[in-house]
Order: sequence, then C-alpha cells, then structure tokens
Amino acid sequence: DTGVSQDPRHKITKRGQNVTFRCDPISEHNRLYWYRQTLGQGPEFLTYFQNEAQLEKSRLLSDRFSAERPKGSFSTLEIQRTEQGDSAMYLCASVLPSRSDYGYTFGSGTRLTVV
Amino acid sequence: AQSVTQLGSHVSVSEGALVLLRCNYSSSVPPYLFWYVQYPNQGLQLLLKYTSAATLVKGINGFEAEFKKSETSFHLTKPSAHMSDAAEYFCAVTPSGGSYIPTFGRGTSLIVHP
Repeated sequence: DTGVSQDPRHKITKRGQNVTFRCDPISEHNRLYWYRQTLGQGPEFLTYFQNEAQLEKSRLLSDRFSAERPKGSFSTLEIQRTEQGDSAMYLCASVLPSRSDYGYTFGSGTRLTVV
Repeated sequence: AQSVTQLGSHVSVSEGALVLLRCNYSSSVPPYLFWYVQYPNQGLQLLLKYTSAATLVKGINGFEAEFKKSETSFHLTKPSAHMSDAAEYFCAVTPSGGSYIPTFGRGTSLIVHP
C-alpha cells in the first residue's frame, strides 16, 4: 500500500491554457473521487469513478472540466481554457467500499495557480 | 441529502488544555462520519471514523469522537493539546450506502499556544 499519488504537486499556468492532473489510487480501491479545495474552505466534490465508469459529476464540474479513468486504475482531470477562478487545490481520494472500514485515502493534492 | 456544520472557524487552546472541535451533521440515511486533519500544503489525513460500530471512536494522535444520534453530533476531543496538533480539521459525512460521496464541513483551524 503506497498510498494515493498525485502529480504534479504544483502547477502554475497562464489563463487560457489547458492543464492535466494525474491521480494514482491505492491499487485495490475501485472507487476514485476528485475534490476541489479553495483557500479557507473544505473540499468540494467534483466527480467520482467506480472502476472505469464515471458515475456522478457535481454541478461544479463545468464543461471545461473533464475526468477519465480509462482502465479503472489511474485517473486524469483536465481543465481547458483555465480561468483565475480555477486556482485551487485539487484532491484525489480512493476507497474500497466493500471493506468494513470505509477509509477514504487522500493524496497530497495538486495546487493549481492560474496567472 | 447530507450536510456538515463545524461550529467555529478557529479554536485557540493552550498547550496541555482540552481540545474540543464541534461537528453537527444532517443526513437522510444512517451516516458514516469522519474527522480529517490537514497540515499546510498537504492532503487530508484520516484521524478517525464512525461506521455504525461503537459510538465512541478512538483515532490517531490521542483524538477521539463520540457519535450522538439524538444530537446529530460528532465532536472531536483530545484531553491535552500538543503544539504539533495545530492544523486544519475537517468533519465529513457520507451516506452508509450508494455513492459514498463524503460531504465536508468548512473546517476548523486549531491554534495551540505555548
């Protein structure tokens, strides 16, 4: 169990550019969640996957956002035409609900700064 | 639908004093409840969780929380604060079935004075 990995840790981009983040969950976890956290706020749900299927998306996930989990393992979150309001910490978490502990494991996050 | 309210955006205690961070929840189905801690520029680390077993839950670093259904509360306590406990704490609720999507509170910043 190597934990949830997120890459990159930090990303600075110019407004209008596209960015992509990667999340590698714990290998046996079939559910993967993406959250966004802005300064002074709690994490806000964006979307989640069960295996490769994207089962739910928040209204926060505008058309400029897309997420994939092609083989049910790692996931990517892409933001197109970034805006300054996209500046936030993007967190990934994974869990295996069939286990009795339901312990969601979070990655260290990707901090995005749009300038 | 589910929601979490954390009372107090900042809590300040002296080192060695009792820590009490408040969390109230609402959920239309039996909930699972969690407390997470976040240090600056890091992700969230699970402190403890309630998943319908014992109502008094013990976690890491000496923290514990008690699930009180009648009060819809899940307050976090620690008998004696340490300087290293200074961090942001988040309470989260998830339904005990279906999507298991955690909903987080806005967080409470714990400040520990020497």
